[in-house]
Amino acid sequence: QKEVEQNSGPLSVPEGAIASLNCTYSDRGSQSFFWYRQYSGKSPELIMFIYSNGDKEDGRFTAQLNKASQYVSLLIRDSQPSDSATYLCAVKDGGFQKLVFGTGTRLLVSP
Amino acid sequence: KAGVTQTPRYLIKTRGQQVTLSCSPISGHRSVSWYQQTPGQGLQFLFEYFSETQRNKGNFPGRFSGRQFSNSRSEMNVSTLELGDSALYLCASRRTQGQGLSGELFFGEGSRLTVL
Repeated sequence: QKEVEQNSGPLSVPEGAIASLNCTYSDRGSQSFFWYRQYSGKSPELIMFIYSNGDKEDGRFTAQLNKASQYVSLLIRDSQPSDSATYLCAVKDGGFQKLVFGTGTRLLVSP
Repeated sequence: KAGVTQTPRYLIKTRGQQVTLSCSPISGHRSVSWYQQTPGQGLQFLFEYFSETQRNKGNFPGRFSGRQFSNSRSEMNVSTLELGDSALYLCASRRTQGQGLSGELFFGEGSRLTVL
């Protein structure tokens, strides 16, 4: 059974700080990695994806991937109260493979 | 472009009954996935259909079933409902990408099922 693990949190950070969210996965064959954000009472939405080792930046968000250590992380710079949500890590193999989600980390950004 | 549409949004059933949920994917998306979301278990994968064929399946009992029609619309059915089936059921669609499917899922707003 392929697994994706995340700390459920909540992770509390003050406004303006850097929030660091982490995810580990069990399947070494995983090829692509995704971060979804889910606001309370809403559906998940994709915010970042990464395929290659290293960092990928998009605005205030940076995804980091280390395949050798089997972890992927999401950094949110200059955190805002509007970033308060649950962040879901998802992992996919190639082709038609399903996405396997972690249970999510709840982030709370205080003003 | 219309998003993923799920019906009904809310429903209440009693134990032993069955329920059918419907999902219309984004136009052009041929893949439809179903997920169960509960506070304790997070987002659990049920199954995925592509071009009317079940391509992936999660670890749920046979009471949970689904199908996909030629217009890509999908239904899932839960028979002999149990209290533990109370959850938010999310449908998601995704587009093809190269020889496979994109990892970007577009979710509907979900169908919240309460079993009494």
